[in-house]
Amino acid sequence: GAGVSQSPSNKVTEKGKDVELRCDPISGHTALYWYRQSLGQGLEFLIYFQGNSAPDKSGLPSDRFSAERTGGSVSTLTIQRTQQEDSAVYLCASSSTQTGIEQYFGPGTRLTVT
Amino acid sequence: QKEVEQDPGPLSVPEGAIVSLNCTYSNSAFQYFMWYRQYSRKGPELLMYTYSSGNKEDGRFTAQVDKSSKYISLFIRDSQPSDSATYLCAMSEWTSYDKVIFGPGTSLSVIP
Repeated sequence: GAGVSQSPSNKVTEKGKDVELRCDPISGHTALYWYRQSLGQGLEFLIYFQGNSAPDKSGLPSDRFSAERTGGSVSTLTIQRTQQEDSAVYLCASSSTQTGIEQYFGPGTRLTVT
Repeated sequence: QKEVEQDPGPLSVPEGAIVSLNCTYSNSAFQYFMWYRQYSRKGPELLMYTYSSGNKEDGRFTAQVDKSSKYISLFIRDSQPSDSATYLCAMSEWTSYDKVIFGPGTSLSVIP
């Protein structure tokens, strides 16, 4: 079946602009995660959704970052007033369990802020 | 000190070699230990996971956990060029929900 999809695959934006990143999880997966991966760095946790609720937002780096999930499916990560340090690959993962042990990742969105 | 440490490499081995990839961690409450493989410009994919201490084997891959030393390993036997990727270890305390903490990854190249 279809895996996790993300769009766009690449995004180049100017400093100060807002961007929206989209994640389509595997159908039926109730848990959804957003991560950020910078060059040479591990995966930095951003936010976790269970259904449409976000019980853990502790990884969002600042109030410029927000995320929502609708219909227990699609999620959007929004970055307002982008900064150069926001440049990274943003990865989305979904899971059928709450434990997060088996996560299925999308290909990521490569964000470049110029 | 980071919660999970991993030698970033790069590690370069000849085809057919046995590869050992390792992580150390500081949180003794971690109970689940995972290994993900990430090809260039792709998302990570789960290779295998283990619970608590011990070994787990899946084909050419063996995961080993030593909780007393806070040390985990992934062994790859008969390494192939297709194994060339970045390998990320990950860990979780696991209660009803818990964050999974990822290591920075080790870059592996298997040379034909």
